[in-house]
Amino acid sequence: GDSVTQMEGPVTLSEEAFLTINCTYTATGYPSLFWYVQYPGEGLQLLLKATKADDKGSNKGFEATYRKETTSFHLEKGSVQVSDSAVYFCASLMNRDDKIIFGKGTRLHILP
Amino acid sequence: GAVVSQHPSWVICKSGTSVKIECRSLDFQATTMFWYRQFPKQSLMLMATSNEGSKATYEQGVEKDKFLINHASLTLSTLTVTSAHPEDSSFYICSAFRGSNEQFFGPGTRLTVL
Repeated sequence: GDSVTQMEGPVTLSEEAFLTINCTYTATGYPSLFWYVQYPGEGLQLLLKATKADDKGSNKGFEATYRKETTSFHLEKGSVQVSDSAVYFCASLMNRDDKIIFGKGTRLHILP
Repeated sequence: GAVVSQHPSWVICKSGTSVKIECRSLDFQATTMFWYRQFPKQSLMLMATSNEGSKATYEQGVEKDKFLINHASLTLSTLTVTSAHPEDSSFYICSAFRGSNEQFFGPGTRLTVL
């Protein structure tokens, strides 16, 4: 069945480091792909999305490109800040059944 | 493992009626639960944060008188869609935290308003 796999955390980086959180998906079609962020004590917030191959989603300095050939949607940021410390969830949405599938989440710690 | 349930899993109602959706943490206590709404073919949007024993915190643009949230116990939060209309038709999902780090999602409730 459809699934989303993302790298396990926690990921600990120093401020201003480059960030990559890997995400791959399996699907029998072409899903829409999302990254959500969850700050401590808060609900999920949509960070960025891409709805078709080669689309790039971007927001708050984060980027992810929908790669059909590698079935990936890796999250990147060039220079992280302490305020980026949160849990990041990759997710896919298949149009045929409208069901969102989440990865297990990756906890990110940014040290000052 | 921990499970979060929702009831009902689907509901069809007439326009103007109110619908209550329950979210339960089955084997743990959750002081905080979240309610999300998923529009057709779109992603989840956070509606509100439900805190046990206090008023819910609503996201901007969510009508608190329309979507009543009650978190009466450490294992139950309810979302009531009052005077439902067709535009309220959606998939409603809750999540609950066990401790500060573990989060579990409910299976969702599909609401169809005729």
